Amino acid sequence: GENVEQHPSTLSVQEGDSAVIKCTYSDSASNYFPWYKQELGKRPQLIIDIRSNVGEKKDQRIAVTLNKTAKHFSLHITETQPEDSAVYFCAAWGSNYQLIWGAGTKLIIKP
Amino acid sequence: DSGVTQTPKHLITATGQRVTLRCSPRSGDLSVYWYQQSLDQGLQFLIQYYNGEERAKGNILERFSAQQFPDLHSELNLSSLELGDSALYFCASSVDTANTGELFFGEGSRLTVL
Repeated sequence: GENVEQHPSTLSVQEGDSAVIKCTYSDSASNYFPWYKQELGKRPQLIIDIRSNVGEKKDQRIAVTLNKTAKHFSLHITETQPEDSAVYFCAAWGSNYQLIWGAGTKLIIKP
Repeated sequence: DSGVTQTPKHLITATGQRVTLRCSPRSGDLSVYWYQQSLDQGLQFLIQYYNGEERAKGNILERFSAQQFPDLHSELNLSSLELGDSALYFCASSVDTANTGELFFGEGSRLTVL
């Protein structure tokens, strides 16, 4: 079946450094790729999304890039802050009319 | 506040029992999704309803069932509960299908099976 692989499962970075989380999808028909952030004990919330007709999208310190040929997309967080500590999930909308989710990346910001 | 309401917030029950989780979507949202999240695990998609009809099915066990009512609220029924069913169950809603925009998640219902 369709799947989304997400790496790494855990990422620890120094406060102020950048963090990059990568996802690879299998369904070549996927055309929508959201990223959700889930803080400890909280609900997931959308932080940024990208559609297949766009290669990159930025929102302040957060950016997402998409490489349709390689079927992968990445989340970039610059100038990381303590409040960026959370679990981040990528997802891909596929031809089965479902969002296929990655397994999540636990981002730890070290002070 | 996402506008999605889930009840109950916490539920403790015994193996073999049956429980019902309830979800009220955001005003105007036609799609409702149910997800299961076990401790330190990812989001497992269970089922989606759109305007009262089942739209997509994920890894939902036969012991679980769901429905969406005419007022668009949804219920997830879990029966013959097992220890492994202990998890956080999220409901989410969106205006249409999940590729048209954000999924708004409720705060979740934490189920503990003893």
